[in-house]
Amino acid sequence: DTEVTQTPKHLVMGMTNKKSLKCEQHMGHRAMYWYKQKAKKPPELMFVYSYEKLSINESVPSRFSPECPNSSLLNLHLHALQPEDSALYLCASSQFEKLFFGSGTQLSVL
Amino acid sequence: AQSVTQPDIHITVSEGASLELRCNYSYGATPYLFWYVQSPGQGLQLLLKYFSGDTLVQGIKGFEAEFKRSQSSFNLRKPSVHWSDAAEYFCAVVPPGGGATNKLIFGTGTLLAVQP
Repeated sequence: DTEVTQTPKHLVMGMTNKKSLKCEQHMGHRAMYWYKQKAKKPPELMFVYSYEKLSINESVPSRFSPECPNSSLLNLHLHALQPEDSALYLCASSQFEKLFFGSGTQLSVL
Repeated sequence: AQSVTQPDIHITVSEGASLELRCNYSYGATPYLFWYVQSPGQGLQLLLKYFSGDTLVQGIKGFEAEFKRSQSSFNLRKPSVHWSDAAEYFCAVVPPGGGATNKLIFGTGTLLAVQP
């Protein structure tokens, strides 16, 4: 299994909603990542987990809350988002310096 | 400032023509270098990578890239483009000294269009 699986593929939420994005990999990778990608822009790093501990937080607003419950799962909890948070959210895992990306969750905040 | 630059925002080539996408980096030491491809609304697929050794790197889908230390470049090439190659291409680096986690930094991307 060489895939990173993200669910849901699409999500529409209101500014008062609470939702979660999920990411799963079974490649035994011990580093997992969240990236945010706005339309026609490159992905921007949000969070990095290494051995299930948060190792990098790129000054992301607290309305985004990551969680790594075990070595295969990575969640991104969303609360009180703004319309400007609408974007493609990409999860990745890595073995050494090679990152494997999921196909992303396209998030729209109304 | 440390950066990775893709000078071409948009390139159009004819099907069957050759392709070269440019990438330059600005770091004190040579970073790890990557090329990724992204189709609309999709994740990123790794085409190839360079860490050290042979400066001509072969990747998937018939792509290759050449590392040139003197020019701080890592340009992507393909001898004959297919219509299915139309996508966004990102050059990316892991800066030197990154440690156990790999802070992959992306260039701004080059959008490739292929004419029939």
